[in-house]
Amino acid sequence: AQSVAQPEDQVNVAEGNPLTVKCTYSVSGNPYLFWYVQYPNRGLQFLLKYITGDNLVKGSYGFEAEFNKSQTSFHLKKPSALVSDSALYFCAVRDDAGNMLTFGGGTRLMVKP
Amino acid sequence: EPEVTQTPSHQVTQMGQEVILRCVPISNHLYFYWYRQILGQKVEFLVSFYNNEISEKSEIFDDQFSVERPDGSNFTLKIRSTKLEDSAMYFCASMVGGLEQYFGPGTRLTVT
Repeated sequence: AQSVAQPEDQVNVAEGNPLTVKCTYSVSGNPYLFWYVQYPNRGLQFLLKYITGDNLVKGSYGFEAEFNKSQTSFHLKKPSALVSDSALYFCAVRDDAGNMLTFGGGTRLMVKP
Repeated sequence: EPEVTQTPSHQVTQMGQEVILRCVPISNHLYFYWYRQILGQKVEFLVSFYNNEISEKSEIFDDQFSVERPDGSNFTLKIRSTKLEDSAMYFCASMVGGLEQYFGPGTRLTVT
């Protein structure tokens, strides 16, 4: 069975500072990893994915994520946070055999001016 | 930019009633999904649909649930006899093939 852990319910960061939202996963086979963002009363918006290749993947709105196979992690990062980045962030995984996504519990990112 | 759309945005129903949640996936996508998110909990997979049949389903997706793609554009989720615990946000998603899933804005189902 596949699983995702997001160890922080909330991350607080000041505007302009770098941010990291943590994610670790467990999956049999090769992992396909995703980050989604959810704004209030909105659906899940795709941010970025890791399928294969370079361990550092770049996505929308200046976000990037680093795949670390030995640590089974896929942390989301941004060099300089904006107040508008405040939202709920979900990490998700699927294996290369199926299509169902398994989500982490979500991390609320609060960026303060 | 193409989007997944869902109707209604909010549905209130009484326990035991049937509900149908509707989704219009992105037009060239081939894989379709339903997920749900009970308030304050994780997003959970319900079912995936490809080539006019269910390809995967979770334990949540019991005999009370069914999916259909009746006309080549809509993708529906039916709950035959709703229970209080079915109250959740239901998300539809679609995918071209092997890549990221695109989610709709969700339907909030409230069962009273």
